[in-house]
Amino acid sequence: DQQVKQNSPSLSVQEGRISILNCDYTNSMFDYFLWYKKYPAEGPTFLISISSIKDKNEDGRFTVFLNKSAKHLSLHIVPSQPGDSAVYFCAASARASGTYKYIFGTGTRLKVLA
Amino acid sequence: GAGVSQSPSNKVTEKGKDVELRCDPISGHTALYWYRQSLGQGLEFLIYFQGNSAPDKSGLPSDRFSAERTGGSVSTLTIQRTQQEDSAVYLCASSLSPGRGETQYFGPGTRLLVL
Repeated sequence: DQQVKQNSPSLSVQEGRISILNCDYTNSMFDYFLWYKKYPAEGPTFLISISSIKDKNEDGRFTVFLNKSAKHLSLHIVPSQPGDSAVYFCAASARASGTYKYIFGTGTRLKVLA
Repeated sequence: GAGVSQSPSNKVTEKGKDVELRCDPISGHTALYWYRQSLGQGLEFLIYFQGNSAPDKSGLPSDRFSAERTGGSVSTLTIQRTQQEDSAVYLCASSLSPGRGETQYFGPGTRLLVL
């Protein structure tokens, strides 16, 4: 049972345009959401996060939106740059048995075309 | 550097052999996680260590998998009698604490290929 889903395995966007990466989740106990970015042959690196009590968090070109009623979050990158080309993982955390569990999605490969 | 390091970076082994993967977390980080990423899949949680507490092994796929963390620092993930389906990238991450939304810092991973 995939609790965190990224239904688009890949996305291509023209440089300068907006990239929108989507993530859906099923567990209403998730209380924190994170986006990680992964380049080939490297480990994922943290990008941006959002608490479940908020609906938007912005950091420079990156904005994450959370729609709790729809159990949906999205990452907006604007303007997109060729260096943004990477795999983006959505992750959700929930407290379970005294610790925080992190569930990752399958990733979306973003390609920004110059 | 001061990041998470993993060794080896690549490992090719024959089916049935044991392998040992190593992770050096960031100094001072109390929480350590192991994940694996199979081809076309997301990051699958394997095991979690926090300080001196008993590890959370709920993600280990079978009893062929085990992990330990010595002295609250270095961790080794051992896979016994490897199978072809064990082929994946094994990622280690550490965080300052296990708190809510705490950023995890990932190593570059070990690419394991079981022939």
